[in-house]
Amino acid sequence: DAKTTQPNSMESNEEEPVHLPCNHSTISGTDYIHWYRQLPSQGPEYVIHGLTSNVNNRMASLAIAEDRKSSTLILHRATLRDAAVYYCILRVANYGQNFVFGPGTRLSVLP
Amino acid sequence: DAGVTQSPTHLIKTRGQQVTLRCSPKSGHDTVSWYQQALGQGPQFIFQYYEEEERQRGNFPDRFSGHQFPNYSSELNVNALLLGDSALYLCASSLGTSGSYNSPLHFGNGTRLTVT
Repeated sequence: DAKTTQPNSMESNEEEPVHLPCNHSTISGTDYIHWYRQLPSQGPEYVIHGLTSNVNNRMASLAIAEDRKSSTLILHRATLRDAAVYYCILRVANYGQNFVFGPGTRLSVLP
Repeated sequence: DAGVTQSPTHLIKTRGQQVTLRCSPKSGHDTVSWYQQALGQGPQFIFQYYEEEERQRGNFPDRFSGHQFPNYSSELNVNALLLGDSALYLCASSLGTSGSYNSPLHFGNGTRLTVT
């Protein structure tokens, strides 16, 4: 399975943008980049995914490097509710639900 | 629209016992997978069910088994419980398998299993 590398923890101030990095140097051409987050005492929650182009949705933006060896999840204005563990996952196309989760990045948001 | 529901929310069992956890997928979803999450770690894939059959399996022993019912709900069974089986067990659902790379997983809030 392709692997990802994320910082163990990050800190942000409320209402400021947050850039969460992810390295995936062994990514293959058919691997989708997925981001999930897990709030305390809850199951993981889908955030965003992409293949090559940058993606935006109501929760966040995903910036993918041109060589696809890294990506960045962007929260445009962090709120206290965004404090969570964020997981960057590579998902092989048509490979079912076998997601390989790493330890993720624990994001703290300071008021 | 109900999301993924799991029961029970908490469970305490004794080493050597057997346990059954239950999951109802999000409305409209037909594929269910189970994950084990130890404290401080990311979830680990156990197996996936689609059309009432196990389609994929992670690196878990045969003590872990499952079932999917015609209404798409699912059960996870663990036999001969070990202390190391203490974890949060998460159920996730999505629509279909072949196109599921583009279908996000929806997770329940899990069952916290404690083995003493």
